[in-house]
Order: sequence, then C-alpha cells, then structure tokens
Amino acid sequence: NAGVTQTPKFQVLKTGQSMTLQCAQDMNHNSMYWYRQDPGMGLRLIYYSASEGTTDKGEVPNGYNVSRLNKREFSLRLESAAPSQTSVYFCASSEQGGTNEKLFFGSGTQLSVL
Amino acid sequence: AQSVTQPDIHITVSEGASLELRCNYSYGATPYLFWYVQSPGQGLQLLLKYFSGDTLVQGIKGFEAEFKRSQSSFNLRKPSVHWSDAAEYFCAGTSMNTGFQKLVFGTGTRLLVSP
Repeated sequence: NAGVTQTPKFQVLKTGQSMTLQCAQDMNHNSMYWYRQDPGMGLRLIYYSASEGTTDKGEVPNGYNVSRLNKREFSLRLESAAPSQTSVYFCASSEQGGTNEKLFFGSGTQLSVL
Repeated sequence: AQSVTQPDIHITVSEGASLELRCNYSYGATPYLFWYVQSPGQGLQLLLKYFSGDTLVQGIKGFEAEFKRSQSSFNLRKPSVHWSDAAEYFCAGTSMNTGFQKLVFGTGTRLLVSP
C-alpha cells in the first residue's frame, strides 16, 4: 500500500553538484509529475510524463531534466544545482491525467543548495 | 491568465468553531476546482473537487465547498473544526479537458487550531 514513494527525503548539495531525485508508484498509473513547492508560491509543475516514453515541460523546467524509466519510475535530475533550486519537491501520479481523476502525491524531498 | 488566489495566508480557529477558507479563481470557461490538504512533512491529499452540476460539493473529513460563479469563488467550509485539521490547505484549478498538466495551485492557507 505504498502509493508514491520518493527518495531521498532530505538532501543538501553544494552549488554545482548534481543529483537525481527518485520517484516510484505502485498503482499502475500512466501519468506522473514533478512539482516544486516554495514558500508563498504554492506548487509549480516542473515536468510531467503523460505515459511511459513521453515527457513534457511544465511551468518551471529550466535547470532540470527528467527520465521516465518505465511505467513505475519517474526521476528528476539537477545537473548543476543552484541556490534557486532550494525547494521541496513532490512527485505525483494519476491514472490518465484527466481532471476527473485524483492526483496522488509522494511525501516530498526537501532539497537545500548551499 | 488563469489563476487561483487564496487571500488568507494564515487563519486561526478555535476547536469546535466553524471554518471557511477562501479561494477565488480567474478562468474564462467553466473551471475544474480542487481543494487539497497538506499535513506537515506530507504530500497533498485531495479533499474534494468540482467539475459541474451541484455547486455544493462534499468531500472527505467533513469538508464541503461551494462553487459560486457570480463571485468567482470556491470556498472551503467545515462546521466544526478538530485539532487534527491543523494543516495547510491549497485550492487549485484548471480548465475543462486540459488535464493536470495545466493545474494551477493557490499559495495556500495555513490553518491553526487553538484549544
């Protein structure tokens, strides 16, 4: 009954370092999403994947790359971290991406870039 | 541009009192509207959603919301707040048939519950 699992939960990076945030869902969902949450700004979509093998940019894609490894897994990579990428990152999934469905969220990754 | 506005950053309510959290939207067509709750250290959980039809929508945990087109509002209500309702609440919206990739979140309202 795991739902959407994100790793790691916390991470501290130095400017210029790279890292990959992992996300996996066990609900056989087709669509997956990466959001960032910043104080006073709500959640903003970074990238999404409507189905296995496809990815598309969201509202704030600059500085990020994604990989839809298979139907279960959707990773977010920061190639050269910047302090502006300090945020809480959430992965989410839905069955087809239609708004008559539910979005299921992971518990988040808190990232600090020094 | 399509937007969702939550005018209240923080709200404090006494336990047992009623609650209303405000949400205003700006959409040309009929919007699809959602309320999510986020407990500390957790992801977001869907409370309720409005697509069409009955403008009073019932959700989980005793919450309800009313869609008022004339006021461009979708306020969240609960008749009696419990201490466990302390959390951050997000209103979100999108347009018909655009999917979650166009979902816009408000900035959130943090609910504090006093004894």
